[in-house]
Amino acid sequence: DAKTTQPPSMDCAEGRAANLPCNHSTISGNEYVYWYRQIHSQGPQYIIHGLKNNETNEMASLIITEDRKSSTLILPHATLRDTAVYYCIVRVGGATNKLIFGTGTLLAVQP
Amino acid sequence: EAQVTQNPRYLITVTGKKLTVTCSQNMNHEYMSWYRQDPGLGLRQIYYSMNVEVTDKGDVPEGYKVSRKEKRNFPLILESPSPNQTSLYFCASSGLAGGPHTGELFFGEGSRLTVL
Repeated sequence: DAKTTQPPSMDCAEGRAANLPCNHSTISGNEYVYWYRQIHSQGPQYIIHGLKNNETNEMASLIITEDRKSSTLILPHATLRDTAVYYCIVRVGGATNKLIFGTGTLLAVQP
Repeated sequence: EAQVTQNPRYLITVTGKKLTVTCSQNMNHEYMSWYRQDPGLGLRQIYYSMNVEVTDKGDVPEGYKVSRKEKRNFPLILESPSPNQTSLYFCASSGLAGGPHTGELFFGEGSRLTVL
């Protein structure tokens, strides 16, 4: 699976959009980008995933660059409850469901 | 409510005393997996199961056993726990690998194990 690079930490003001970047320059054509978050030692929570197109759901939006070498997770209106470690994961479709979690980005939403 | 339930949530034990951490899911998922999380090392996969009676090793299987006799349950067994197995453990489940929701794992709340 391709390696991902994320900033170790970011701050965001409550009510503003949080934009979390992820670099995955070695991504292959059949590899998906997944985002999870973990709130203070709770179980990780699935947020969103995509292959080529931008995706949106009730939690967030995922913007994938045209060359697929990087992506951005957008939380449109961050709240204090969004403070968490956010993991960007690249995995091959099919086969197994194994996800390799890196160290992620600690997003601190400030009041 | 769809959930993955782990027990116990917290456990302090001593070296060599066999223990089992149970995991149960109510979503009829085929795939189940165990991870451990340690500071600086992130989440690492211990074992996984693609379906009933089908299990395989993850990245750090040494010292652990699993079984999958029923679809909903996937217990993690530590036959002779050692202090280096002190960790936060997570069970996860998802629909069939290769399906439209591959990679969408549902995680339990975690089991914090301390081995003295």
